[in-house]
Amino acid sequence: NAGVTQTPKFRVLKTGQSMTLLCAQDMNHEYMYWYRQDPGMGLRLIHYSVGEGTTAKGEFPDGYNVSRLKKQNFLLGLESAAPSQTSVYFCASSPLAGGPDTQYFGPGTRLTVL
Amino acid sequence: GQNIDQPTEMTATEGAIVQINCTYQTSGFNGLFWYQQHAGEAPTFLSYNVLDGLEEKGRFSSFLSRSKGYSYLLLKELQMKDSASYLCAPMDSNYQLIWGAGTKLIIKP
Repeated sequence: NAGVTQTPKFRVLKTGQSMTLLCAQDMNHEYMYWYRQDPGMGLRLIHYSVGEGTTAKGEFPDGYNVSRLKKQNFLLGLESAAPSQTSVYFCASSPLAGGPDTQYFGPGTRLTVL
Repeated sequence: GQNIDQPTEMTATEGAIVQINCTYQTSGFNGLFWYQQHAGEAPTFLSYNVLDGLEEKGRFSSFLSRSKGYSYLLLKELQMKDSASYLCAPMDSNYQLIWGAGTKLIIKP
């Protein structure tokens, strides 16, 4: 099993450009999450999904959109990138919401917006 | 509001023991997770506590006191590969993980 994979691993954008980050998991997990991680701060939840065809806003959704058309894929879109969106983006998945079922993380996408 | 407090950085010696503390305030509580994150890598799961007390797993142990909003991660027989950030993450009433900024642990020979 590949676990959770993310594409691309690195990307540099100019302000105003758009892009889509792809997350894929092969563990048949229901729940998927998009976080960003900035130096000196905890992981911040952007959006999440509780199953195929569903999405929900996390605590920091502004400037991002998501889609979950297939259970194994969770896409994060930036419509008009801003320098404040320079960050490391992590995708995670989990079989259930609670209990000891942990979240499994992808390797991250390092995004720089100039 | 929801808040996680853990030391920013700690230093310890190879072979020694270190305790990383975490205090938290969350809206509801559904357990607390500890993750390890090496520089430039993704977080990986270490431990989960939902009841008060100590959970031991090899060289790593995690303790929880729900009434005090307090947890600690205990690392024994430190090895150089334990140099990493350790993230405390309680789960709130909506089953969302609330992440601390992490404690960077530096191991010296």
